Amino acid sequence: DGGITQSPKYLFRKEGQNVTLSCEQNLNHDAMYWYRQDPGQGLRLIYYSQIVNDFQKGDIAEGYSVSREKKESFPLTVTSAQKNPTAFYLCASSIEVASGVAYEQYFGPGTRLTVT
Amino acid sequence: QKEVEQNSGPLSVPEGAIASLNCTYSDRVSQSFFWYRQYSGKSPELIMSIYSNGDKEDGRFTAQLNKASQYVSLLIRDSQPSDSATYLCAVNLGRSGAGSYQLTFGKGTKLSVIP
Repeated sequence: DGGITQSPKYLFRKEGQNVTLSCEQNLNHDAMYWYRQDPGQGLRLIYYSQIVNDFQKGDIAEGYSVSREKKESFPLTVTSAQKNPTAFYLCASSIEVASGVAYEQYFGPGTRLTVT
Repeated sequence: QKEVEQNSGPLSVPEGAIASLNCTYSDRVSQSFFWYRQYSGKSPELIMSIYSNGDKEDGRFTAQLNKASQYVSLLIRDSQPSDSATYLCAVNLGRSGAGSYQLTFGKGTKLSVIP
């Protein structure tokens, strides 16, 4: 079955610790994304990657880092510099559906991170 | 700042009725528009995409796009209790290149279908 997997589903960490969230896809999609979702807020883009070994900051990249060493994998590290890390983290990947115009994004199941 | 606005709701409709969800966007160059359904505690699921002015139908769902008015809507016919969820409108940022990869999401409209 093709899809996007994120692990773990729930993650608990102490303040001051770095934590890495996993995202893997077997859809052969080129682009991958990380969002965070907070109650009452829309999805906010953290980082995205259009191709392997390349990635760009989104709207809220401070306190986060990513890597894209393989097409299938786009892990997100939440560092101790992120002031409010508790959130629902969503990974997505996209496929081009209209040349240069549209990329449909599909989401993984998400990781709920709680930092205390 | 490019924005996507949705009425937060909750929007309550009786079972079997038509639910109408609306979305406006600020970026005139946006060309692709998406509706996602998100059940409580779950990730968003893509249910409709639309790129041209007019209507696009898929089963009980119809997406409507009016680029001149910068308005996109989602109609759900014969609403079922299982349609109760938050519906997110998403709009791409630009015509080509990096802009077309990125989506801006609205905060979502919570729909409740009453049996």
